[in-house]
Amino acid sequence: NAGVTQTPKFQVLKTGQSMTLQCAQDMNHEYMSWYRQDPGMGLRLIHYSVGAGITDQGEVPNGYNVSRSTTEDFPLRLLSAAPSQTSVYFCASTRAPEGEQFFGPGTRLTVL
Amino acid sequence: GIQVEQSPPDLILQEGANSTLRCNFSDSVNNLQWFHQNPWGQLINLFYIPSGTKQNGRLSATTVATERYSLLYISSSQTTDSGVYFCAAYGGSNYKLTFGKGTLLTVNP
Repeated sequence: NAGVTQTPKFQVLKTGQSMTLQCAQDMNHEYMSWYRQDPGMGLRLIHYSVGAGITDQGEVPNGYNVSRSTTEDFPLRLLSAAPSQTSVYFCASTRAPEGEQFFGPGTRLTVL
Repeated sequence: GIQVEQSPPDLILQEGANSTLRCNFSDSVNNLQWFHQNPWGQLINLFYIPSGTKQNGRLSATTVATERYSLLYISSSQTTDSGVYFCAAYGGSNYKLTFGKGTLLTVNP
């Protein structure tokens, strides 16, 4: 049981490039989320999904896109990377609303 | 949305000491979690504790929902306890965890 996995672990982009951060979970959780963590701050919600085919915006959604075609996978797309998107990105999943959330190991992204 | 405040922001201990970390929240919350972010950046689940007290080895947590706070106790601290401790709560939204800014704990040998 791998839990929540994320790839890549590290990524460097140039301004304007696009990329997809991958997230997968093998716990059959319906609810998945993406958070970003910036220095000195806690985590902030970007987007979340309550099941395959259903996504919604969180607190800081601008510049990011998500889709959920399967229960297991929840990729996060950066459409046109900007230096303000330099951050550590965490994917999380939970079985139920307000349930215990489990986090992946994170992706450290630098945008030059 | 709710506000989550943690104190103290920084804490330095000698190995073997005990400590208490506090989390205050601005409104009623339905569930609360404590995490340890280790020096490699991993978020480790410590407690999922909407109310009451739970213990896991040297760590325990108490949430008093009616008074809007939670406490994390670390006893006989070890150097491996170093890192950032976050509390996070659901309040208002079923799907969004609101995080505090964390307590940076350093345990010296």
